[in-house]
Amino acid sequence: RKEVEQDPGPFNVPEGATVAFNCTYSNSASQSFFWYRQDCRKEPKLLMSVYSSGNEDGRFTAQLNRASQYISLLIRDSKLSDSATYLCVVYNFNKFYFGSGTKLNVKP
Amino acid sequence: NAGVTQTPKFRILKIGQSMTLQCTQDMNHNYMYWYRQDPGMGLKLIYYSVGAGITDKGEVPNGYNVSRSTTEDFPLRLELAAPSQTSVYFCASSYGAGGGANVLTFGAGSRLTVL
Repeated sequence: RKEVEQDPGPFNVPEGATVAFNCTYSNSASQSFFWYRQDCRKEPKLLMSVYSSGNEDGRFTAQLNRASQYISLLIRDSKLSDSATYLCVVYNFNKFYFGSGTKLNVKP
Repeated sequence: NAGVTQTPKFRILKIGQSMTLQCTQDMNHNYMYWYRQDPGMGLKLIYYSVGAGITDKGEVPNGYNVSRSTTEDFPLRLELAAPSQTSVYFCASSYGAGGGANVLTFGAGSRLTVL
């Protein structure tokens, strides 16, 4: 079973739309959770950490449900510049495990 | 601050050749990681290190070796290159193991093709 699973997409949405990505993880002892963004042919970059109480950074909201082992990312008012692959990342005992990513295409 | 620097950016190898991917960081991070990313796939952990002199295997270590003689450097050695090792390799580092200390910073990647 994979450590982290994500819907690969692609999600094709118009500018201004709200879009949500989900991710599940297999190890209930996982300690920290993140969303990274990866542009085409570039390295991943941290978008935001995910906290148990949920957290928001501008148009981005992340939620964690430890009981269901489920992480979500909500993007409001999508911009063309949000087009990228979003990687769900779980940290567990010195190792970071990556999902395969969800591709987002924001169209004019 | 340069962050995490990887060299080379691109390399073509013939089957059976060996090479070393270099990775250095100037952030005084304790933890360093090597990942590979195949097209359309997520990142797979090859090896990692929690400090100088300490290394451990990740999910896909076969065909690779690492060393960590200093805090700054974490080279990845490919012995007897095979076409299955064609991939993009990312080096990453983080300061520590808890809370905000375990955010990963990546290098720009090394694209390796084995023919």
